[in-house]
Amino acid sequence: NAGVMQNPRHLVRRRGQEARLRCSPMKGHSHVYWYRQLPEEGLKFMVYLQKENIIDESGMPKERFSAEFPKEGPSILRIQQVVRGDSAAYFCASSPVRNSETQYFGPGTRLLVL
Amino acid sequence: AQKITQTQPGMFVQEKEAVTLDCTYDTSDQSYGLFWYKQPSSGEMIFLIYQGSYDEQNATEGRYSLNFQKARKSANLVISASQLGDSAMYFCAMRGGTGRRALTFGSGTRLQVQP
Repeated sequence: NAGVMQNPRHLVRRRGQEARLRCSPMKGHSHVYWYRQLPEEGLKFMVYLQKENIIDESGMPKERFSAEFPKEGPSILRIQQVVRGDSAAYFCASSPVRNSETQYFGPGTRLLVL
Repeated sequence: AQKITQTQPGMFVQEKEAVTLDCTYDTSDQSYGLFWYKQPSSGEMIFLIYQGSYDEQNATEGRYSLNFQKARKSANLVISASQLGDSAMYFCAMRGGTGRRALTFGSGTRLQVQP
Protein backbone atom coordinates (compact mmCIF):
# COMPACT_ATOMS: atom_id res chain seq x y z
CA ASN A 1 0.00 0.00 0.00
CA ALA A 2 2.08 2.87 -1.31
CA GLY A 3 2.03 6.10 0.62
CA VAL A 4 2.07 9.61 -0.75
CA MET A 5 4.81 9.89 -3.36
CA GLN A 6 6.72 13.02 -4.22
CA ASN A 7 9.37 13.60 -6.82
CA PRO A 8 11.97 14.69 -7.12
CA ARG A 9 13.20 14.32 -3.55
CA HIS A 10 15.86 16.97 -4.15
CA LEU A 11 15.83 19.73 -6.75
CA VAL A 12 18.47 22.33 -7.47
CA ARG A 13 17.63 25.35 -9.57
CA ARG A 14 19.37 28.60 -10.44
CA ARG A 15 17.65 31.89 -9.86
CA GLY A 16 15.15 32.60 -12.62
CA GLN A 17 14.52 28.98 -13.55
CA GLU A 18 11.28 27.08 -13.08
CA ALA A 19 10.69 24.36 -10.49
CA ARG A 20 8.08 21.63 -10.91
CA LEU A 21 7.24 19.47 -7.92
CA ARG A 22 5.07 16.39 -8.32
CA CYS A 23 2.82 14.63 -5.86
CA SER A 24 0.92 11.37 -6.25
CA PRO A 25 -1.59 10.89 -3.42
CA MET A 26 -2.23 7.62 -1.65
CA LYS A 27 -4.47 5.19 -3.51
CA GLY A 28 -8.08 6.14 -3.00
CA HIS A 29 -7.26 9.67 -1.88
CA SER A 30 -8.73 12.50 -3.89
CA HIS A 31 -7.69 15.49 -1.79
CA VAL A 32 -4.21 16.97 -1.99
CA TYR A 33 -2.56 19.66 0.12
CA TRP A 34 0.76 21.45 -0.34
CA TYR A 35 2.80 22.86 2.53
CA ARG A 36 6.15 24.64 2.69
CA GLN A 37 8.70 24.29 5.46
CA LEU A 38 11.48 26.81 5.81
CA PRO A 39 14.59 25.70 7.77
CA GLU A 40 13.96 25.29 11.48
CA GLU A 41 10.28 26.21 11.13
CA GLY A 42 6.94 24.46 11.11
CA LEU A 43 4.98 23.75 7.97
CA LYS A 44 2.92 26.49 6.36
CA PHE A 45 -0.19 25.68 4.33
CA MET A 46 -0.14 26.72 0.70
CA VAL A 47 -3.03 25.18 -1.23
CA TYR A 48 -5.73 22.50 -1.11
CA LEU A 49 -6.91 20.80 -4.28
CA GLN A 50 -9.31 18.16 -5.43
CA LYS A 51 -9.28 16.68 -8.89
CA GLU A 52 -9.48 19.57 -11.38
CA ASN A 53 -10.40 22.06 -8.63
CA ILE A 54 -8.54 24.42 -6.37
CA ILE A 55 -10.51 24.50 -3.12
CA ASP A 56 -8.37 26.77 -0.92
CA GLU A 57 -5.33 28.72 -2.10
CA SER A 58 -5.19 31.16 0.79
CA GLY A 59 -1.58 30.28 1.55
CA MET A 60 -0.21 30.60 -1.95
CA PRO A 61 2.03 33.55 -2.78
CA LYS A 62 0.25 35.81 -5.24
CA GLU A 63 2.93 35.63 -7.90
CA ARG A 64 5.08 32.91 -9.46
CA PHE A 65 3.38 30.00 -7.67
CA SER A 66 0.64 27.82 -9.13
CA ALA A 67 -0.79 24.38 -8.45
CA GLU A 68 -2.94 21.91 -10.29
CA PHE A 69 -4.39 18.45 -9.78
CA PRO A 70 -5.54 17.18 -13.16
CA LYS A 71 -8.06 14.43 -13.76
CA GLU A 72 -5.23 12.10 -14.67
CA GLY A 73 -1.75 12.18 -13.22
CA PRO A 74 -0.08 13.74 -10.21
CA SER A 75 -0.62 17.10 -8.60
CA ILE A 76 1.96 19.67 -9.68
CA LEU A 77 3.28 22.63 -7.72
CA ARG A 78 4.97 25.02 -10.11
CA ILE A 79 7.28 27.85 -9.12
CA GLN A 80 8.29 30.21 -11.88
CA GLN A 81 11.40 32.39 -11.83
CA VAL A 82 12.65 30.96 -8.57
CA VAL A 83 14.49 33.15 -6.06
CA ARG A 84 16.76 32.14 -3.19
CA GLY A 85 13.93 32.67 -0.71
CA ASP A 86 12.03 29.81 -2.36
CA SER A 87 14.60 27.35 -0.97
CA ALA A 88 12.62 25.14 1.37
CA ALA A 89 11.11 21.71 1.82
CA TYR A 90 7.78 21.32 0.04
CA PHE A 91 5.46 18.69 1.41
CA CYS A 92 2.41 17.20 -0.17
CA ALA A 93 -0.30 15.52 1.88
CA SER A 94 -3.43 13.63 0.92
CA SER A 95 -6.65 12.55 2.57
CA PRO A 96 -9.24 10.05 1.40
CA VAL A 97 -12.69 11.61 1.67
CA ARG A 98 -14.21 14.95 2.46
CA ASN A 99 -14.92 14.20 6.10
CA SER A 100 -11.67 12.43 6.85
CA GLU A 101 -9.57 14.36 9.32
CA THR A 102 -6.11 12.95 8.86
CA GLN A 103 -3.68 14.16 6.22
CA TYR A 104 -0.88 11.78 5.32
CA PHE A 105 2.33 13.37 4.16
CA GLY A 106 4.80 12.49 1.46
CA PRO A 107 8.58 12.55 2.02
CA GLY A 108 8.89 16.10 0.72
CA THR A 109 10.90 17.78 -2.02
CA ARG A 110 13.93 19.79 -0.93
CA LEU A 111 14.33 22.74 -3.27
CA LEU A 112 17.63 24.59 -3.30
CA VAL A 113 17.92 27.77 -5.33
CA LEU A 114 21.47 28.82 -6.15
CA ALA B 1 -7.41 32.73 12.69
CA GLN B 2 -5.85 29.73 14.35
CA LYS B 3 -2.59 29.72 16.25
CA ILE B 4 -0.53 26.88 17.68
CA THR B 5 2.12 27.51 20.32
CA GLN B 6 4.83 25.05 21.27
CA THR B 7 6.94 26.66 23.99
CA GLN B 8 9.62 23.98 24.29
CA PRO B 9 12.23 24.31 21.52
CA GLY B 10 14.08 21.28 22.87
CA MET B 11 13.53 18.49 25.37
CA PHE B 12 15.69 15.71 26.77
CA VAL B 13 14.38 12.47 28.23
CA GLN B 14 16.02 9.31 29.47
CA GLU B 15 15.29 6.12 27.63
CA LYS B 16 12.26 4.25 29.07
CA GLU B 17 10.91 7.34 30.81
CA ALA B 18 7.75 9.24 29.87
CA VAL B 19 7.84 12.74 28.39
CA THR B 20 5.20 15.40 27.81
CA LEU B 21 5.43 17.81 24.90
CA ASP B 22 3.36 20.97 25.34
CA CYS B 23 0.95 22.45 22.83
CA THR B 24 -1.54 25.25 23.29
CA TYR B 25 -3.87 26.53 20.65
CA ASP B 26 -6.06 29.50 19.96
CA THR B 27 -9.20 29.40 17.88
CA SER B 28 -12.68 30.85 17.85
CA ASP B 29 -14.08 27.80 16.09
CA GLN B 30 -16.30 25.35 17.97
CA SER B 31 -15.35 22.42 15.76
CA TYR B 32 -11.68 21.70 15.22
CA GLY B 33 -9.15 18.90 15.16
CA LEU B 34 -5.75 18.58 16.78
CA PHE B 35 -2.87 16.52 15.45
CA TRP B 36 0.64 15.53 16.33
CA TYR B 37 3.25 14.69 13.72
CA LYS B 38 6.79 13.39 14.11
CA GLN B 39 9.61 14.50 11.84
CA PRO B 40 12.79 12.41 12.21
CA SER B 41 16.11 13.58 10.87
CA SER B 42 15.33 11.90 7.55
CA GLY B 43 12.72 14.62 7.05
CA GLU B 44 9.42 12.85 6.47
CA MET B 45 6.28 13.80 8.40
CA ILE B 46 4.72 10.90 10.30
CA PHE B 47 1.17 11.14 11.65
CA LEU B 48 0.98 10.12 15.32
CA ILE B 49 -2.38 10.96 16.83
CA TYR B 50 -5.60 12.93 16.34
CA GLN B 51 -8.10 14.50 18.76
CA GLY B 52 -11.41 16.02 17.72
CA SER B 53 -12.78 18.95 19.67
CA TYR B 54 -15.95 17.05 20.51
CA ASP B 55 -14.19 13.86 21.57
CA GLU B 56 -14.74 13.34 25.27
CA GLN B 57 -12.01 10.76 25.69
CA ASN B 58 -8.33 11.56 25.30
CA ALA B 59 -6.91 9.95 22.18
CA THR B 60 -4.38 7.14 22.53
CA GLU B 61 -2.28 5.33 19.95
CA GLY B 62 0.11 2.80 21.40
CA ARG B 63 2.75 4.69 23.41
CA TYR B 64 1.28 8.05 22.40
CA SER B 65 -1.55 9.76 24.21
CA LEU B 66 -2.98 13.22 23.85
CA ASN B 67 -3.81 15.08 27.05
CA PHE B 68 -6.68 17.24 25.81
CA GLN B 69 -7.79 20.04 28.14
CA LYS B 70 -10.37 21.99 26.21
CA ALA B 71 -10.95 24.76 28.76
CA ARG B 72 -7.24 25.48 28.88
CA LYS B 73 -6.90 25.05 25.10
CA SER B 74 -4.06 22.62 25.47
CA ALA B 75 -3.30 19.38 23.63
CA ASN B 76 -0.12 17.96 25.09
CA LEU B 77 1.48 14.83 23.67
CA VAL B 78 2.59 12.20 26.16
CA ILE B 79 5.09 9.58 25.01
CA SER B 80 5.44 6.70 27.44
CA ALA B 81 8.49 4.45 27.72
CA SER B 82 10.67 6.57 25.45
CA GLN B 83 12.87 4.80 22.92
CA LEU B 84 15.99 6.03 21.15
CA GLY B 85 14.01 6.05 17.90
CA ASP B 86 11.69 8.67 19.37
CA SER B 87 14.40 11.30 18.93
CA ALA B 88 12.91 13.70 16.39
CA MET B 89 11.07 16.97 15.90
CA TYR B 90 7.46 16.90 17.02
CA PHE B 91 4.86 19.23 15.58
CA CYS B 92 1.43 20.03 16.95
CA ALA B 93 -1.12 21.08 14.33
CA MET B 94 -4.74 22.16 14.18
CA ARG B 95 -7.47 22.06 11.60
CA GLY B 96 -10.07 24.65 12.36
CA GLY B 97 -13.36 25.85 11.01
CA THR B 98 -16.19 24.08 9.29
CA GLY B 99 -15.15 23.24 5.77
CA ARG B 100 -11.62 24.47 6.25
CA ARG B 101 -9.05 21.73 5.86
CA ALA B 102 -5.73 23.55 6.05
CA LEU B 103 -3.53 22.56 8.99
CA THR B 104 -1.86 25.23 11.12
CA PHE B 105 1.42 24.00 12.60
CA GLY B 106 3.40 25.03 15.65
CA SER B 107 7.13 25.68 15.54
CA GLY B 108 7.97 22.24 16.85
CA THR B 109 9.83 20.64 19.77
CA ARG B 110 13.06 18.74 19.25
CA LEU B 111 13.09 15.67 21.49
CA GLN B 112 16.31 13.86 22.26
CA VAL B 113 16.15 10.50 24.00
CA GLN B 114 19.28 9.68 25.94
CA PRO B 115 20.43 6.11 26.68
